[in-house]
Amino acid sequence: QKEVEQNSGPLSVPEGAIASLNCTYSDRGSQSFFWYRQYSGKSPELIMSIYSNGDKEDGRFTAQLNKASQYVSLLIRDSQPSDSATYLCAVNPGNTPLVFGKGTRLSVIA
Amino acid sequence: GAGVSQSPSNKVTEKGKDVELRCDPISGHTALYWYRQSLGQGLEFLIYFQGNSAPDKSGLPSDRFSAERTGGSVSTLTIQRTQQEDSAVYLCASNPTGTAYNEQFFGPGTRLTVL
Repeated sequence: QKEVEQNSGPLSVPEGAIASLNCTYSDRGSQSFFWYRQYSGKSPELIMSIYSNGDKEDGRFTAQLNKASQYVSLLIRDSQPSDSATYLCAVNPGNTPLVFGKGTRLSVIA
Repeated sequence: GAGVSQSPSNKVTEKGKDVELRCDPISGHTALYWYRQSLGQGLEFLIYFQGNSAPDKSGLPSDRFSAERTGGSVSTLTIQRTQQEDSAVYLCASNPTGTAYNEQFFGPGTRLTVL
């Protein structure tokens, strides 16, 4: 069974710090990887996608992928209270629907 | 451009009634997905449509659930004889091609409450 694992949190970081969110996946053949942000009561919003090993940066967000270790992470630099949300990791095992983790709740303390 | 839209935004129904939830994907997106999210839980895949292919129904929890997609665009998720455990937010997502790069964009969801 294809699985995506995330620490449920809450992960609490002070404002201005780096938040590090981690995700592991079971299907070694997975091809694409995504991070979604979900505010309470809202639907998931795509914030990052990554397809090859290494880092991908977009503003304050950096996604990191290590296919050998089956590990994806999201770094949020200069964390702001507005970053407080649940972050969902999603993995595409192939030409099939995405498999989502249960999410990590991030709380940025002002 | 317009994103994925869903209607209604909220639906309250009595146990045993049927409900229909609607999804309008982003124009031109060939792939459409339905998910369910119960309070405090992750996303549960329900069904997937890709172009004119037969839908992937592997996530539907029971035969009370069905979905159709007319003309490759609008989709309707139908729940018959609703039960209290069907209460959840039903999310629709669409994707331009349904291929491996599979960036899915979500609608705002329909919050279903079964009394």
